Amino acid sequence: EVQVVESGGGLVQPGGSLRLSCAASGFTFSSHGMSWVRQAPGKGLEWVSAISATGYSVYYADSVKGRFTISRDNSKNTLYLQMNNLRADDTGVYSCARHSTDWYSFDYWGQGTLVTVSS
Amino acid sequence: QTVLTQEPSFSASPGGTVTLTCGLSSGSVSTNYYPSWYQQIPGQAPRTLIYNTNTRSSGVPDRFSGSILGNKAALTITGAQADDESDYYCAMYMGSGISIFGGGTKLTVL
Repeated sequence: EVQVVESGGGLVQPGGSLRLSCAASGFTFSSHGMSWVRQAPGKGLEWVSAISATGYSVYYADSVKGRFTISRDNSKNTLYLQMNNLRADDTGVYSCARHSTDWYSFDYWGQGTLVTVSS
Repeated sequence: QTVLTQEPSFSASPGGTVTLTCGLSSGSVSTNYYPSWYQQIPGQAPRTLIYNTNTRSSGVPDRFSGSILGNKAALTITGAQADDESDYYCAMYMGSGISIFGGGTKLTVL
């Protein structure tokens, strides 16, 4: 069974940092691109960042470019999101999503981990 | 900045047909954007319904179908049921590794 489980969320002050993890199981992790998608309270889904299956190519939404870094460790079947210089509008549930084999959509999602940026 | 526009809310009767749409601010939707659709019950993880415009994800009932209607992507639910009440999001691939989501449609079945 395909599973992706996020962890690492919590309360952080504006300007602070946090590192999220996404542990994958039930599939060949190194064969799939992965993304982080977030959802602010009461709002819709927002794509944040993506990484290719090998980790060589990374992509970011303009709203997080320069502040967030996506990475992966295929030996540990784990995806990461390093978040620096956090702002109040970064608050939300962060989920990891597996890309379909052709990259163009998402086929499995995690439940997410809550990040709250507040003083 | 490209935006996907969805109906904020939609109300349907049980057994009725629902068509939700997803428009692209920069022009017409085509298969080249690989539109996909996701269902999300509040508090739960999204579930993939449709990908590559009209391909149903594994286990999705054939009551759900995707298409391009005019210049928009569309999700049609035939024979709406009470447990179809949910939020529905479209997404598209914009190239260069980037995806975007629509604002979502809250579907009510009553």
